[in-house]
Amino acid sequence: AQSVTQLGSHVSVSEGALVLLRCNYSSSVPPYLFWYVQYPNQGLQLLLKYTTGATLVKGINGFEAEFKKSETSFHLTKPSAHMSDAAEYFCAVSAGNNFNKFYFGSGTKLNVKP
Amino acid sequence: EPEVTQTPSHQVTQMGQEVILRCVPISNHLYFYWYRQILGQKVEFLVSFYNNEISEKSEIFDDQFSVERPDGSNFTLKIRSTKLEDSAMYFCASSEGRGGQPQHFGDGTRLSIL
Repeated sequence: AQSVTQLGSHVSVSEGALVLLRCNYSSSVPPYLFWYVQYPNQGLQLLLKYTTGATLVKGINGFEAEFKKSETSFHLTKPSAHMSDAAEYFCAVSAGNNFNKFYFGSGTKLNVKP
Repeated sequence: EPEVTQTPSHQVTQMGQEVILRCVPISNHLYFYWYRQILGQKVEFLVSFYNNEISEKSEIFDDQFSVERPDGSNFTLKIRSTKLEDSAMYFCASSEGRGGQPQHFGDGTRLSIL
């Protein structure tokens, strides 16, 4: 079975500071991993994904994430936070080619202070 | 960029009534999904749909729920006899393929059961 744990339901950073949002997954098969962002009253927007190949993946808005199999992690980072990054971020895992279901983490709300 | 659109954005219904949530997936996508998010909880998978039939469903998706693709563009979720605990945000998603393909989400329908 698959599951996702996001440590920290709320993270607060200053504008210009490093953003680090943590995601650990559990999967019985090689996982496909995703990060989504949700702005208020909007749907989930794909930030980036890892399927195979390079373990450091780059996404939109300057975000990137690194797949670390040994740590079962897929943490999301951005070198310098912007006010517009304030939103809720969701990590998700799917179980591989034969499955459609995404398992989501509980989400992390990012607050960016001026 | 193509979008998944959902209507209505907010639906208020009396307990016991039937409700239909509507979605227009991205036109060249083949897989369709419904997820729900109860306030303060994780986004949960309900059902996936491919080639005019359900390909996977969760234990939440009981006999009260049904999905349909009545024409070439719409994808609907029907809840036959709503309960208070059905109050949630319902998200429709679509993807070109399965597994590693990202799912594209609509903005959701907030369902409130009175």
